[in-house]
Amino acid sequence: EAGVTQFPSHSVIEKGQTVTLRCDPISGHDNLYWYRRVMGKEIKFLLHFVKESKQDESGMPNNRFLAERTGGTYSTLKVQPAELEDSGVYFCASSQGRPGETQYFGPGTRLLVL
Amino acid sequence: DAKTTQPPSMDCAEGRAANLPCNHSTISGNEYVYWYRQIHSQGPQYIIHGLKNNETNEMASLIITEDRKSSTLILPHATLRDTAVYYCIVRVNVDNDMRFGAGTRLTVKP
Repeated sequence: EAGVTQFPSHSVIEKGQTVTLRCDPISGHDNLYWYRRVMGKEIKFLLHFVKESKQDESGMPNNRFLAERTGGTYSTLKVQPAELEDSGVYFCASSQGRPGETQYFGPGTRLLVL
Repeated sequence: DAKTTQPPSMDCAEGRAANLPCNHSTISGNEYVYWYRQIHSQGPQYIIHGLKNNETNEMASLIITEDRKSSTLILPHATLRDTAVYYCIVRVNVDNDMRFGAGTRLTVKP
């Protein structure tokens, strides 16, 4: 069974540009989560989808971040416009069934904003 | 904010058991103890979780004290590939998010 996949693995962009990260959850997992770790800080929750609906987006830092999950399969996280402080590693996780089930993480996307 | 306390770092000799402690003195009755690890440049990897009873799987064992205020993750025969940051997380099993703290950096030495 394939795990959570994320694309791209790395992205280097300039301040002010737009970047879109993609996450493909484990097949059949209704729950999809985004997390990020910015430099020197702990991994922090961003938001949670149940199928195509946003269940909890309390961790989204500001309105420059937009997450979508059309059709309830893969999800995208767009940062527009990117700022220097957005640099970090963005992780996606998925779980099946109820939201509290064990979450399985992808390898992450390393974003560097110059 | 993380509700657990872990030592920042530990060393272990290859082939020996690695015992990673975690303090969660404010744990609630319906909160589970989860352990994840992050090997350099990879995403967090699920290891094991438990509520009250000790648990064992192919990766590790989890020992939870009777009062549930602390737990120990045991890697029975540590290898160099077990070098990673280990996170102890407590959560209700209906929570959306995993609250990662700083974890314990385990270094397995030859």
